[in-house]
Amino acid sequence: DAGITQSPRYKITETGRQVTLMCHQTWSHSYMFWYRQDLGHGLRLIYYSAAADITDKGEVPDGYVVSRSKTENFPLTLESATRSQTSVYFCAYRTDTYGYTFGSGTRLTVV
Amino acid sequence: AQSVTQPDIHITVSEGASLELRCNYSYGATPYLFWYVQSPGQGLQLLLKYFSGDTLVQGIKGFEAEFKRSQSSFNLRKPSVHWSDAAEYFCAVRREAGGGNKLTFGTGTQLKVEL
Repeated sequence: DAGITQSPRYKITETGRQVTLMCHQTWSHSYMFWYRQDLGHGLRLIYYSAAADITDKGEVPDGYVVSRSKTENFPLTLESATRSQTSVYFCAYRTDTYGYTFGSGTRLTVV
Repeated sequence: AQSVTQPDIHITVSEGASLELRCNYSYGATPYLFWYVQSPGQGLQLLLKYFSGDTLVQGIKGFEAEFKRSQSSFNLRKPSVHWSDAAEYFCAVRREAGGGNKLTFGTGTQLKVEL
């Protein structure tokens, strides 16, 4: 058990709808991250958080919103989904030994 | 800004042959370096990481990587590839300190193993 859970695993939504991807860690690691994975781009950082109520933009934040009211949860919201946001989304946390553990991902399709 | 280059998009090797996957980074100081593997439909699994010390790092599944400061490289190697090694491999870098502890990834190398 990697100690990090993403839900849902698969999601299909329509253009313009709001959708929230959930991420939960069973520990209390400070740093958490959201990445999106697209063919030819590898993984790109959307947002990250250094602690509860502290978040910052990554490389591709436009169209996304995050919150972190509790240390263990880091949801990612697409305010008005677009087809370009069709992707696989990964949540991760930084461990105490400076490694990074990733969730299993959410495959989002915007139609 | 830090960046990572994986020049090989696809690599095909025969089972039992040796493997080297290339990774070059762009960053002024010594970064923290990582290699991850991703099987189809799965998340990312850490193979190995380098922070300091011995420049040859041993990882899981028989992989190793060598940090070469003069070449800004952190190539991944395996002496004998198994069919189960077919996957996508990502090199990643983060700054030694600060920068929000962010990992920057390369675009990945897809490994195919021929039986």
